[in-house]
Amino acid sequence: DAGVTQSPTHLIKTRGQQVTLRCSPKSGHDTVSWYQQALGQGPQFIFQYYEEEERQRGNFPDRFSGHQFPNYSSELNVNALLLGDSALYLCASRANYGYTFGSGTRLTVV
Amino acid sequence: QKEVEQDPGPLSVPEGAIVSLNCTYSNSAFQYFMWYRQYSRKGPELLMYTYSSGNKEDGRFTAQVDKSSKYISLFIRDSQPSDSATYLCAMNTGGFKTIFGAGTRLFVKA
Repeated sequence: DAGVTQSPTHLIKTRGQQVTLRCSPKSGHDTVSWYQQALGQGPQFIFQYYEEEERQRGNFPDRFSGHQFPNYSSELNVNALLLGDSALYLCASRANYGYTFGSGTRLTVV
Repeated sequence: QKEVEQDPGPLSVPEGAIVSLNCTYSNSAFQYFMWYRQYSRKGPELLMYTYSSGNKEDGRFTAQVDKSSKYISLFIRDSQPSDSATYLCAMNTGGFKTIFGAGTRLFVKA
């Protein structure tokens, strides 16, 4: 049974560019959350998707947007990239207790 | 003031020691408390999940929640070198948004 899978694993982008990160939740999980984890910090909640709708959002600007597809997979889009967007982006699907995380996408903005 | 405070460490202990990891929080509405373990270049992995106050034991791990003091702890008995990782506390009110601590880096020396 595959866990949460994310792609790509690493990505280098230039300031001002746009990026799309992808996530497939664990089988049977229908809720997907996205987190940003800066180096040496804990994950910060970006938003959560359930039934193809954004249900709750953290303190992130509108440059961060997402989408959930009918098969529960999800995308995170970031526009107008800033150097400060460099981080590990984690996708998590919700189990009965807690979350199952993927290994993340390491985004570097140069 | 952050909603969740966690000493980043690093914490270095000899193999076999009892490890104590702690977090404090300010939001009295938090009801669900979790501990995650994160190895380098990996996503967080759920270790313990506790609802409200009390203790929970799972093998070498014991989680404690003291809501009156807004203080949670994770104890690791008979620590092993394989326990070397970053430990993240996390909590939520029952909704979608989970707040993480900054994580404590633990090193267990053989």
